[in-house]
Amino acid sequence: AQSVTQLGSHVSVSEGALVLLRCNYSSSVPPYLFWYVQYPNQGLQLLLKYTTGATLVKGINGFEAEFKKSETSFHLTKPSAHMSDAAEYFCAVSERGNKLVFGAGTILRVKS
Amino acid sequence: DAGVTQSPTHLIKTRGQQVTLRCSPKSGHDTVSWYQQALGQGPQFIFQYYEEEERQRGNFPDRFSGHQFPNYSSELNVNALLLGDSALYLCASSLEPGLNYEQYFGPGTRLTVT
Repeated sequence: AQSVTQLGSHVSVSEGALVLLRCNYSSSVPPYLFWYVQYPNQGLQLLLKYTTGATLVKGINGFEAEFKKSETSFHLTKPSAHMSDAAEYFCAVSERGNKLVFGAGTILRVKS
Repeated sequence: DAGVTQSPTHLIKTRGQQVTLRCSPKSGHDTVSWYQQALGQGPQFIFQYYEEEERQRGNFPDRFSGHQFPNYSSELNVNALLLGDSALYLCASSLEPGLNYEQYFGPGTRLTVT
């Protein structure tokens, strides 16, 4: 069975600082990996995805993530945080585009 | 290009009642998945519909049922509502399952069971 663990339910950074949100996954088959963002009272928006190929994936709004098979990780980073990045972020894994299995989420707070 | 739409936005029901939630997929998409997101948790997969059939199902009781129509829109039905069914219900659409296609989410329906 697939599973996702997001380390840190809350992360706080200063505006302009590096954002690092951690995600580790478990999968018995080569995984597809995703990061979604959710703003209050809204649905989920896809930030980026990894399926095959290049392990460093670039997404929207300056976010990127690196697939590390040996560490079973898919951490999300952004070099410089902006106030508008404050939201909840979800890491998810799927088998070949079928059901998504989500982590519990990380709430990102950006301090001015 | 319309994205995924869901109705209603909010809903309040009483324990034991039945509820129907609706979803229209993004234009061109033929697959609909439903997720339940309890407060403070990540979304959990309920089921997925493709070609008007349930293709996959998560760990939810039979009280949760669904339907997909020929125009690819979908309904989620929940019978005998429990307080624990209170959650945000998210619909996601995509292209044919099993392929390399991401799921696009709607804004959700907030269900409150009292």
